[in-house]
Amino acid sequence: GNSVTQMEGPVTLSEEAFLTINCTYTATGYPSLFWYVQYPGEGLQLLLKATKADDKGSNKGFEATYRKETTSFHLEKGSVQVSDSAVYFCALSDQAGNMLTFGGGTRLMVKP
Amino acid sequence: DAGVIQSPRHEVTEMGQEVTLRCKPISGHNSLFWYRQTMMRGLELLIYFNNNVPIDDSGMPEDRFSAKMPNASFSTLKIQPSEPRDSAVYFCASSFQGGGNEKLFFGSGTQLSVL
Repeated sequence: GNSVTQMEGPVTLSEEAFLTINCTYTATGYPSLFWYVQYPGEGLQLLLKATKADDKGSNKGFEATYRKETTSFHLEKGSVQVSDSAVYFCALSDQAGNMLTFGGGTRLMVKP
Repeated sequence: DAGVIQSPRHEVTEMGQEVTLRCKPISGHNSLFWYRQTMMRGLELLIYFNNNVPIDDSGMPEDRFSAKMPNASFSTLKIQPSEPRDSAVYFCASSFQGGGNEKLFFGSGTQLSVL
C-alpha cells in the first residue's frame, strides 16, 4: 500500500535559516504529492503540490520537487520566519486521486 | 465561501456517553473525509464518502464509531459509548473529486476530551 515517511520533529531553527524537511514515499503508479501545513488550533491547509515527476511545487517561499528516482518530495525554504512555525505534513494521493495518505507530520519551531 | 464547518469546536464528556460530531462540507464538493489526530498516531483517515456513499471505512477503529452522510451538506461522526482513548482532535475535510484536483479543505476540527 501507499505510505509516506517524514523526518521526525521538532525542527528548531533561528529566523532566516534554511529549512529542509525530508519526505519519502512508497506508492504504486504515479501519485500526486502534496505538502499541507497546520497552524496552531487550525485544520490543515494545502501549501503546495506536484502532479508528475520533476514538477516543482512552490508557494509562500516554500518549494518541493517531485523526484521519482529517489521517491522523495523534500520541502525547502531559503529563509524561514517566526510565522512559519507550524506542523508540516507530506501526503500523496492514490492512483485515482481519491484519497490522501499523510505522513506523521513534522513540527517546525522558528525562534526570533 | 465559509469553508468546511465543524461543530462543536470543543467537547468534554464522560466515559460511556454518546458523542456526536458534525460537519458541513463546502457546497459543491462531492467527497467528505473524517480524520482523527493524536500525538501518538498522527493523522488517521477514519472514513471517506463520495456522493454521500461510504467508500472506505477501514480506518474506523471499532463498532463504537459510526458515520453518516444523509445528504450532500451534512455528515456526522458518532461515538457510542465513548472511552478516554477516543480523546483526540477530529477533522472533517471535503473536496471535489473528478476534476483532477485532489485538494482537500479541512475544517478547524473538534477537540474531544473523554474523561
